Amino acid sequence: AQSVTQLGSHVSVSEGALVLLRCNYSSSVPPYLFWYVQYPNQGLQLLLKYTTGATLVKGINGFEAEFKKSETSFHLTKPSAHMSDAAEYFCAVTLPMTGGGADGLTFGKGTHLIIQP
Amino acid sequence: NAGVTQTPKFRVLKTGQSMTLLCAQDMNHEYMYWYRQDPGMGLRLIHYSVGEGTTAKGEVPDGYNVSRLKKQNFLLGLESAAPSQTSVYFCASSQSNYGYTFGSGTRLTVV
Repeated sequence: AQSVTQLGSHVSVSEGALVLLRCNYSSSVPPYLFWYVQYPNQGLQLLLKYTTGATLVKGINGFEAEFKKSETSFHLTKPSAHMSDAAEYFCAVTLPMTGGGADGLTFGKGTHLIIQP
Repeated sequence: NAGVTQTPKFRVLKTGQSMTLLCAQDMNHEYMYWYRQDPGMGLRLIHYSVGEGTTAKGEVPDGYNVSRLKKQNFLLGLESAAPSQTSVYFCASSQSNYGYTFGSGTRLTVV
């Protein structure tokens, strides 16, 4: 079974500083990886995803993430934080679909990003 | 707009009451999922379905039942609600591992 670990339940950065949210996964086969953002009292919005191909993935709102197989990591970064980036961020993993169907996403516990003015 | 619709959006139940949460998708997706979100726990899979008429248990299935009688609908039932089931419930659908569409959530409080 696959699992996801997000390091740091809360991360605080200054406006304009680098954002780095850490995600490590455990999987028996190369997984598909996702980052979602959740603003207060809202649903989940997909930021970016990695399936195959280029390991550096660019997403919405200036975020990007790099799949590093050797480190089993998929950290999320943004060069310059904005106040509007304050939200909860979730890393998620799933395995490439087999003939048995898809058993859904496995989520990390989330990281609350705080932006200091 | 195409997507996943959850009803109701809010509900307060008394302990022991029953209710059904409805998830409807209009994208003809094969796979559907129910998750619960609790503070500090992320989203955890309750049950899922890989097609009409099928259901399977996820990580936290106890206390819940599901049905998928029609491809576009996935129902989550609580037969006897408990305070531990106070949570935000999200439904999602997918046609492949390339993309999952989430509903806007149902906030359930059991008192």
